[in-house]
Amino acid sequence: EPEVTQTPSHQVTQMGQEVILRCVPISNHLYFYWYRQILGQKVEFLVSFYNNEISEKSEIFDDQFSVERPDGSNFTLKIRSTKLEDSAMYFCASRAGGGQPQHFGDGTRLSIL
Amino acid sequence: DQQVKQNSPSLSVQEGRISILNCDYTNSMFDYFLWYKKYPAEGPTFLISISSIKDKNEDGRFTVFLNKSAKHLSLHIVPSQPGDSAVYFCAAPLIIQGAQKLVFGQGTRLTINP
Repeated sequence: EPEVTQTPSHQVTQMGQEVILRCVPISNHLYFYWYRQILGQKVEFLVSFYNNEISEKSEIFDDQFSVERPDGSNFTLKIRSTKLEDSAMYFCASRAGGGQPQHFGDGTRLSIL
Repeated sequence: DQQVKQNSPSLSVQEGRISILNCDYTNSMFDYFLWYKKYPAEGPTFLISISSIKDKNEDGRFTVFLNKSAKHLSLHIVPSQPGDSAVYFCAAPLIIQGAQKLVFGQGTRLTINP
């Protein structure tokens, strides 16, 4: 069964550094998402992406965050200058469209030191 | 933001018995609901969904019930198996200008005891 893949599984970065989290969505999917889960908290929406542009973003997704679909397969989340509070699990998801559910990758654990 | 709530952080059930996981919501605009299952070190895996026009949806051992008047849904697993031990999330999509974002509950950790 096709799946969403995320790399790396764990990223450790110094505060203030830039980090790029990578995702390969399911190939025929049209909608792409990033979520995050801070330890002990809910899974929370960051951003949705469709037709090569952001369709919705949360308050968390400020100017330090950006997303890109540089080619036909990858979907990346960049954090320009990381903060301690960015430490979390980041999940990528994709969806075919219509009433189909979102399918999630296994996440990247981001640790900011 | 407490639009979707799972009030039980954990549930322990004996193998072979029924597991019932509960979820409450506040937003009447939700038009369908999903349950995801999550194992440690993995992402949420879609389990089952229900449209707001239905009150029940069944898929094998899993049944979801929706009570719109009470704004409550529940996931029934019967019979429960050890492999069902995981965290279960209730979620609902918010549709804003065509974009869909999932709103999650806090999750319930289900443990199936042999």
